[in-house]
Amino acid sequence: DAGVTQSPTHLIKTRGQHVTLRCSPISGHKSVSWYQQVLGQGPQFIFQYYEKEERGRGNFPDRFSARQFPNYSSELNVNALLLGDSALYLCASSLSSGIQETQYFGPGTRLLVL
Amino acid sequence: AQSVAQPEDQVNVAEGNPLTVKCTYSVSGNPYLFWYVQYPNRGLQFLLKYITGDNLVKGSYGFEAEFNKSQTSFHLKKPSALVSDSALYFCAVIGRGGYQKVTFGIGTKLQVIP
Repeated sequence: DAGVTQSPTHLIKTRGQHVTLRCSPISGHKSVSWYQQVLGQGPQFIFQYYEKEERGRGNFPDRFSARQFPNYSSELNVNALLLGDSALYLCASSLSSGIQETQYFGPGTRLLVL
Repeated sequence: AQSVAQPEDQVNVAEGNPLTVKCTYSVSGNPYLFWYVQYPNRGLQFLLKYITGDNLVKGSYGFEAEFNKSQTSFHLKKPSALVSDSALYFCAVIGRGGYQKVTFGIGTKLQVIP
């Protein structure tokens, strides 16, 4: 079975631009979460979606937004990119949004902002 | 404030020897504790979790962790290290509030020496 997939794998943008990252969850999983992992640090929670509704939001500015589609795939959008947005963006899927559910991570999208 | 400490940036162990990767936490209420492993240029891979019940949790690839409430610790252990265990290990804690309240440690690099 396919795991969590993310696209693109790598991306280079300049300051002020906009970026869209995509995630396809494991088949049957209805919850998708997004994390930002800056080099040398642990992941930081950005969003969680379940059944197309936002279930949680981390401490990130409004430049960050996300949505989940009827097929449970998800997009993370970042506007007005800053140098500090350079990071590995991880998507994780789980059967539901509860803490008891194990999250399965994709390989990530590495974003470099110049 | 909720926090996770992984006091060692790097742990070196000889192949075949037991390994321990340390994690201590601070959280309000009952903690939910997780260990993940990250290989180079890969996403996080779930190893094990403590939600409730038995303090000794067994996980993937022969890893286990012991929840110690009095010491607020959740150390990761393996009886016999393999070279293939060399990777970056992250401890994470969730207190009240679901995944939006997850806090990851900064990671510990495990190096298993042949």
